This record gives sequence, structure tokens and C-alpha cells, in this order.
Amino acid sequence: DGGITQSPKYLFRKEGQNVTLSCEQNLNHDAMYWYRQDPGQGLRLIYYSQIVNDFQKGDIAEGYSVSREKKESFPLTVTSAQKNPTAFYLCASSRGTYNEQFFGPGTRLTVL
Amino acid sequence: GQNIDQPTEMTATEGAIVQINCTYQTSGFNGLFWYQQHAGEAPTFLSYNVLDGLEEKGRFSSFLSRSKGYSYLLLKELQMKDSASYLCAVRDDSGYSTLTFGKGTMLLVSP
Repeated sequence: DGGITQSPKYLFRKEGQNVTLSCEQNLNHDAMYWYRQDPGQGLRLIYYSQIVNDFQKGDIAEGYSVSREKKESFPLTVTSAQKNPTAFYLCASSRGTYNEQFFGPGTRLTVL
Repeated sequence: GQNIDQPTEMTATEGAIVQINCTYQTSGFNGLFWYQQHAGEAPTFLSYNVLDGLEEKGRFSSFLSRSKGYSYLLLKELQMKDSASYLCAVRDDSGYSTLTFGKGTMLLVSP
């Protein structure tokens, strides 16, 4: 089955710790994205990547970092510099930037 | 930049028709998407409009007027499972073509 996987579904971390969220897709999509969703808010773009070894900052990139070493994988690191990291994080991919985006199941991160 | 407005909540009755509006002000436009998101789950793609007019797909239809910066999603024969948040997203016309999402409209379908 083709799709996007994110793990784990729920993640707890202590304040001051970096944490890496995984995102893997086997759809052979070129473009991948990370969004953050807070209660009552729309999705906000953190980082995106159109091709391997290239990525761009989105609207709220501060306190986050990414890598795109493989086409299938686009991990997101939430660093201790992120002031309010508790949120629902969604990864998405698309065949190209002009195609619809498909979303993974999301990771709910809680920083204690 | 992009500014997207949708109603926060709507309620409707099973079997009825509901229209969810979306207005946008953008510095560039290259298409509008509608997504459905059930609580705690991933958004799923519903429809895409880039030209003016109505796109129909089963019980769901989406309309776009680029001159008015306006779109709506029409849901017919409502079912309980249609209770969800509906997200309007606008794609810009830059080389990166990223999406900007509205805050979503929470639709509650009652028996």
C-alpha cells in the first residue's frame, strides 16, 4: 500500500530537549512538506522540499530544522529554541508542487 | 501574502444541503483546494479549482470566482460522517507554489 507514515502518533518530551519527528512516503513524490496545527488554527507551513538535498523555510521555520537526504524521507527536528512546541504536526507530500498534497496521520507532540 | 476567511462553525441536519464559503485576498493565485479533516486525523483532499465555475464530484461540489476572491464547498445529502472540519487552501503563483490554509470550518451534522 502506498502512503505516508508518521511515527509515533503521540510523543512526549521534556522542555529543553530536541526531538525528531519522522515522515516517510512510498508514493514516489518529489515534494514534501511539514505543517503545524494548533487548536482552532489552520495548518501553518514550517518547511518544504521540492527535491532531494533541497528545502525551503515556510512561514514559521524558527526553532525547527529538516533534512532531505532521501526522496522518501523528510524528518523534522523540533529544537529547544522553539518557544511553544506542543502541537499537532502533519507531514504531506505531492507528486509536484502543482499537485494535491497527501497527508500523513500526524504526530501529536507534547512538551512537558 | 494570503488572507483566507471561512466561518468558524456551521450546523446542519442529516439529509440536508450545506454551503461552506471561503473568501481570500492574495498577492498571487494559482488554484484553490478543499480538504476534509476529522478530529485528530489527517486532512484528505476533496476538490481543486483553478478556473471559474463549478466542479462536481459525487455529493460534493466546489465553486470558484477568481474576480470575487470567493469559493464555496457544497455538500448534498448530508450524512453523520460528514461532521468534520473543512479547510480551504489557496496556492500562490510563485515558483514554489505553496499552500496557505484557512482556519477551517467545523461542520456538525445532527440527526
